[in-house]
Amino acid sequence: DGGITQSPKYLFRKEGQNVTLSCEQNLNHDAMYWYRQDPGQGLRLIYYSQIVNDFQKGDIAEGYSVSREKKESFPLTVTSAQKNPTAFYLCASSPLYRISGNTIYFGEGSWLTVV
Amino acid sequence: KNEVEQSPQNLTAQEGEFITINCSYSVGISALHWLQQHPGGGIVSLFMLSSGKKKHGRLIATINIQEKHSSLHITASHPRDSAVYICAVRSPLGNQFYFGTGTSLTVIP
Repeated sequence: DGGITQSPKYLFRKEGQNVTLSCEQNLNHDAMYWYRQDPGQGLRLIYYSQIVNDFQKGDIAEGYSVSREKKESFPLTVTSAQKNPTAFYLCASSPLYRISGNTIYFGEGSWLTVV
Repeated sequence: KNEVEQSPQNLTAQEGEFITINCSYSVGISALHWLQQHPGGGIVSLFMLSSGKKKHGRLIATINIQEKHSSLHITASHPRDSAVYICAVRSPLGNQFYFGTGTSLTVIP
């Protein structure tokens, strides 16, 4: 079945460590997104990418980095510069609006906790 | 200021009740989505609207473009409807989504 796979589901990070969250999609979508969700707040955009080897910062990109070497993959690295990384992270993908419509799909999410 | 506002934030209903969740937005949009998030965290898209009304089973979604308002209705609510419902809008250029903070619905048997 087509969909988005995020891993790991749960991750613990020590102070000063970088960690990478994986996001893979087999929907042939051009656009991919990373969002952060905190209690009582809406999803906030970290980074998005509309094409391989290109990505744009979202509203809260500081302390995060991404890459888009393949259409199917959009990993997110939470660096030690991110001072408050404990949150729920969601990866999403969609067709490019002007080409194929508006539907957005989400992965199951990753819980990151700093210990 | 949030581009998307939802109400209520929390809602508790008895099984069988008719439920309405409201969403107002302040930006131009190409489409509006209603999403459902279960306790495990994953999100699924329930509806995508650019005008009018859509129905799927016991769920009905409406949008008024002029008033920049949408509603999600659940008829004959059931405990399995308990979830967080999120309203999201897509920008006119299509490269951004804006999300409401969600409505947490609990349906009691």
